[in-house]
Amino acid sequence: DIQMTQSPSSVSASVGDRVTITCRASQGITTWLAWYQQKPGKAPKFLIYAASSLQSGVPSRFSGRGSGTDFTLIISSLQPEDFATYYCQQAGSFPPTFGQGTKLEIK
Amino acid sequence: QVQLVESGGGLVQPGRSLRLSCAASGFTFSRSTMHWVRQAPGKGLEWVALTSYDGTNTHYADSVKGRLTISRDNSKNTLYLQMNSLRPEDTAIYYCARDRGMGGYYFDYWGQGTLAIVSS
Repeated sequence: DIQMTQSPSSVSASVGDRVTITCRASQGITTWLAWYQQKPGKAPKFLIYAASSLQSGVPSRFSGRGSGTDFTLIISSLQPEDFATYYCQQAGSFPPTFGQGTKLEIK
Repeated sequence: QVQLVESGGGLVQPGRSLRLSCAASGFTFSRSTMHWVRQAPGKGLEWVALTSYDGTNTHYADSVKGRLTISRDNSKNTLYLQMNSLRPEDTAIYYCARDRGMGGYYFDYWGQGTLAIVSS
């Protein structure tokens, strides 16, 4: 199975900050990568697919980059509703696997 | 709008069984690959199983193979997860999720989840 490793595990930031979350795959996955946002007590929400394509309805302050083994999720200007846990997931190899999550907290 | 509503969770003793359901609406269920994904309390996400649009192809995580069975009834727009020989480590919120359907394993819509607790 492909292992997905996110860093940091948690990060504190303020409204308006730019935040970057990193995800590394244990082997190359080209751009078969998704990002999800999960708020407490809620289901995950699909944000980005193919490493950099924004799902319909997702604000443009979210963006994704990367290919091969190294990927990033960028939130350009944090809004109060963005404080949540974020997961990456490799989508190109069976079985699909997730990173351990990055908790984004209010500073 | 796409809606997925899970049900059937609860408290069950180790070794017993549970059947989860996921009622789908707002899209053509019979054309969609569907998945179950679980999340142990306070932990991350783990993919569990998938079924092709017609139910003829199913695949499982090694951790559940031989104990959990995914199925679907396209006439009822419903996805199922039959859980047998349950273990405490199966305790989790179980989400059904729709496959985006354009290559890869992308989960574009999720239900709210149903909690299964395996404990004596």
